[in-house]
Amino acid sequence: DSGVTQTPKHLITATGQRVTLRCSPRSGDLSVYWYQQSLDQGLQFLIQYYNGEERAKGNILERFSAQQFPDLHSELNLSSLELGDSALYFCASSPQAGGYGYTFGSGTRLTVV
Amino acid sequence: QKEVEQDPGPLSVPEGAIVSLNCTYSNSAFQYFMWYRQYSRKGPELLMYTYSSGNKEDGRFTAQVDKSSKYISLFIRDSQPSDSATYLCAMSDDVGGGGNKLTFGTGTQLKVEL
Repeated sequence: DSGVTQTPKHLITATGQRVTLRCSPRSGDLSVYWYQQSLDQGLQFLIQYYNGEERAKGNILERFSAQQFPDLHSELNLSSLELGDSALYFCASSPQAGGYGYTFGSGTRLTVV
Repeated sequence: QKEVEQDPGPLSVPEGAIVSLNCTYSNSAFQYFMWYRQYSRKGPELLMYTYSSGNKEDGRFTAQVDKSSKYISLFIRDSQPSDSATYLCAMSDDVGGGGNKLTFGTGTQLKVEL
């Protein structure tokens, strides 16, 4: 157990729907990162939050949004889902805004049918 | 063209072999280089971290960075079946407090056979 908790582990939903993925960072970590992993693109950085504020943004679609709450857990919201959004979504956390020592969760597997 | 290229494999080797895993990259701003290991149905875990060019050794693992060639390598000595996993290289131009984005390769699948 890495200490980063992601729920749910699996999610199957239909096109056009909206889902929320949840992440609880490792105890004491202030930064949360979201990554998308697909077979052809590998791990793609979506967004980083540090202590409740957005710190860095990657190629995150406008249909996707995230936030980090005062208790430091984070949610990734995916709306108007398309078949191509099917992927593994990973959350990672680190103690500070910078650094390289990410700790990843086990991911949420999203299947859009 | 992707910023980071990595041969997807699969790479199959006998137990005890020396394994060489490689990545090339195009962004000369990258200064921080990492290797992650990912077991099936798990998240990636950090194996090695190197700053700029040079070598770093940790047990059976050695990471090499050649910035002039934009080429990084991970060597695994005396490979074990437990090393069977997908190995991902990752790199960044900045790990400071202004934000931290890692660019990953697509991963090389390694299988170590008994």
